[in-house]
Amino acid sequence: QQQVKQSPQSLIVQKGGISIINCAYENTAFDYFPWYQQFPGKGPALLIAIRPDVSEKKEGRFTISFNKSAKQFSLHIMDSQPGDSATYFCAASRGGNKLTFGTGTQLKVEL
Amino acid sequence: KAGVTQTPRYLIKTRGQQVTLSCSPISGHRSVSWYQQTPGQGLQFLFEYFSETQRNKGNFPGRFSGRQFSNSRSEMNVSTLELGDSALYLCASSYNWGGDSYEQYFGPGTRLTVT
Repeated sequence: QQQVKQSPQSLIVQKGGISIINCAYENTAFDYFPWYQQFPGKGPALLIAIRPDVSEKKEGRFTISFNKSAKQFSLHIMDSQPGDSATYFCAASRGGNKLTFGTGTQLKVEL
Repeated sequence: KAGVTQTPRYLIKTRGQQVTLSCSPISGHRSVSWYQQTPGQGLQFLFEYFSETQRNKGNFPGRFSGRQFSNSRSEMNVSTLELGDSALYLCASSYNWGGDSYEQYFGPGTRLTVT
């Protein structure tokens, strides 16, 4: 049973544009929602994370928006750059370190 | 601070053999988790260790096992390898375990190919 659904599967954005990736979860017990960035041949790198007591968190060009009632959260990448081209994963966990991951989004930022 | 290190980085094994992968967490981190990444199944949780005890286990057969040492380093073992075990095996470390979710930092992974 897939507990975290991620969309879109792939995304092409022009340089300077906004990249938006969405995730929806089913388990209301989840209490921690991180986003990871993965480049080919590398392990996932923690980008930003949020807990359900806040609706938005911003770190540099990366923002998480969280909608607890809709059980959805999204990653916004402002002023997208070619160096942001990577695969992005959302994840969720509840009271521990077992992460349930989304299926990933391949982002390509074109010049 | 050095990141999570995993050895070996690449491994080729034959069906039926067994393999042991190693992970050294970030200094000061006491929890180590293992994940399997494949194109078909994505990132899946294998198990987590804290204070040398398995704290959580994913939905994998008993051929997959692990352990953690007193210095927090961890190993995972896969016995009787199958072709479907070909994957990138990722280790993640976090500062603590229990009651709350902590930031996890991944290593570069071990690419296992089973022929």
